Amino acid sequence: DIQMTQSPSSLSAFVGDRVTITCRASQNIRSHVNWYQQKPGEAPKVLIYAATSLQSGVPSRFRGSESGTEFTLTITSLQPDDVATYYCQQSYNSAWTFGHGTRVEV
Amino acid sequence: QVHLQESGPGLVKPSETLSLTCTVSGGSVTTDYWSWFRQPPGKGLEWIGNLYKNGSTTNSPSLKGRVIISLDKSKNQFSLRLSSVTAADTAVYYCARREWEPPLYNWFDPWGQGTLVTVSS
Repeated sequence: DIQMTQSPSSLSAFVGDRVTITCRASQNIRSHVNWYQQKPGEAPKVLIYAATSLQSGVPSRFRGSESGTEFTLTITSLQPDDVATYYCQQSYNSAWTFGHGTRVEV
Repeated sequence: QVHLQESGPGLVKPSETLSLTCTVSGGSVTTDYWSWFRQPPGKGLEWIGNLYKNGSTTNSPSLKGRVIISLDKSKNQFSLRLSSVTAADTAVYYCARREWEPPLYNWFDPWGQGTLVTVSS
């Protein structure tokens, strides 16, 4: 299985702050990473696919980047509505695996 | 717009079989690729299995052959059966559709709202 090591497990920041969440893959998976947002009591919602592509309808403050096996989700200006848990997911092979999640508090 | 809805019993006894259905509206189960996921209370997401549009499936090895996923074209549904359940199978179960674009980047959208299944006697 491809392991996705996500950090931090939680963070707290102020409205307007720049927030960064990182996932490191256990092997080269090229750009096959997605990022999901899950609000309490709701299903996950895709924010970023293929490491850097913004899903239609998602605010542009969400950005994805990559460097080798390290993938980053950045929220450029944190908003109260961004309170959620964020997960990375590898889509390199069809035995999909997720990071353990990052809980973001505002 | 495709919409997914999970349904099934919310309580299953240990050693019995969990059975869930995902009803697809706004699209066809025969033209897309579908997956089941689960999330134990307070924990992260786990992949259960995939259903391809031709009816073939792949399942997570961690579930040790307990999973059957099947397609019902007449009802535009697909189903999950998980046998020999224990308390560790208590989770919110989600169905989701795979989206993709060349050169085969995959992601999941939409997801069903999820359904909580508790394993308890």
